[in-house]
Amino acid sequence: GNSVTQMEGPVTLSEEAFLTINCTYTATGYPSLFWYVQYPGEGLQLLLKATKADDKGSNKGFEATYRKETTSFHLEKGSVQVSDSAVYFCALSPPGNTGFQKLVFGTGTRLLVSP
Amino acid sequence: NAGVTQTPKFRILKIGQSMTLQCTQDMNHNYMYWYRQDPGMGLKLIYYSVGAGITDKGEVPNGYNVSRSTTEDFPLRLELAAPSQTSVYFCASSSHRERGFFGPGTRLTVL
Repeated sequence: GNSVTQMEGPVTLSEEAFLTINCTYTATGYPSLFWYVQYPGEGLQLLLKATKADDKGSNKGFEATYRKETTSFHLEKGSVQVSDSAVYFCALSPPGNTGFQKLVFGTGTRLLVSP
Repeated sequence: NAGVTQTPKFRILKIGQSMTLQCTQDMNHNYMYWYRQDPGMGLKLIYYSVGAGITDKGEVPNGYNVSRSTTEDFPLRLELAAPSQTSVYFCASSSHRERGFFGPGTRLTVL
């Protein structure tokens, strides 16, 4: 079946450090891939997405590249800020999915950035 | 524009009690969803709705009921609370496929 595996957290970094949060997936065919972010006290928000192999999604300085050969969609940011402290969810949408309800989420990775 | 709102934020129930988790969206979205997130697990879909009067089961519907009488509201009902329903519950809505807007969640504990 379809599944998403994320690295366990929390990930603790100092401000301006480089961030990588690993995400790998299992799916038949070519799913779409997403990163959602949940800031404290708020709901999940779509951060970025990629719909085909080698696509790079980017937003707010975050990037993730769809790697079919390694079935990965790792989230990266060159210089994190305290305001990036949040929980990050990797998700996939199975091939042929026609609705949001089919999204498969990872467990979430908490990022803590200190000044 | 409030987006998706959920009430209550926190609740403690005793085994066998019932309650309704409220969810309202003001974006005129057709699609609405209820997810639960257990500790250390990903979000799992409980129920969803594609429009007023239309609901369908997700991955983990047992022990829950929903209704969708208006576009704005999508309440989730727990009839006989069980400890296994201790979780964080997220409501979401969408119009565009694969881009959900989430509420802040309700943390429910059943003792």
